Amino acid sequence: GENVEQHPSTLSVQEGDSAVIKCTYSDSASNYFPWYKQELGKRPQLIIDIRSNVGEKKDQRIAVTLNKTAKHFSLHITETQPEDSAVYFCAANTRAYSGGGADGLTFGKGTHLIIQP
Amino acid sequence: DTEVTQTPKHLVMGMTNKKSLKCEQHMGHRAMYWYKQKAKKPPELMFVYSYEKLSINESVPSRFSPECPNSSLLNLHLHALQPEDSALYLCASSQDWAREQYFGPGTRLTVT
Repeated sequence: GENVEQHPSTLSVQEGDSAVIKCTYSDSASNYFPWYKQELGKRPQLIIDIRSNVGEKKDQRIAVTLNKTAKHFSLHITETQPEDSAVYFCAANTRAYSGGGADGLTFGKGTHLIIQP
Repeated sequence: DTEVTQTPKHLVMGMTNKKSLKCEQHMGHRAMYWYKQKAKKPPELMFVYSYEKLSINESVPSRFSPECPNSSLLNLHLHALQPEDSALYLCASSQDWAREQYFGPGTRLTVT
């Protein structure tokens, strides 16, 4: 099945600086890579995603890059703000489940992003 | 309506109880999911219903039993749970199984 590694586990940056979180995946059949933000006590929220036919995608201060050959993808947040403080999860789709053959998501272990004022 | 709703928000149950968690979406999505999330851990996929057909993570014990009465509703039936099953249970839905997944607020389950 799919294995997703995520680094770092904790990232502290000054407000206004950039933050980068990196993930690697193992299953070359994976073709969909979302990023979720989860604040304490709340549900995971989809913030950006990328498919394997695209190398980069940007949405305002957030960007994601994908290197299919190296099997890694990264989240970039520029001009960080206090409200960016949260746990961020990367994920990859995987068809590794018995029965209907549908995809599920395998998540990385998460990065606790702390924005220092 | 762009929400996935879950009931109840909190549930405390004994190891001999039988209970059910419910999830609903009205976005016309054809795939629905159950995830389990322990504290300070990522969500872990338990089950997928895609076009009402079930896919299973084989590591999930049989004391968890999913049901999809129709494409808008998803239930998780719980029976003879263990204290280590205490967690946040998240439901999600997507237009199709390879598309964006949107999560409900979760049910926080405590097994005593």
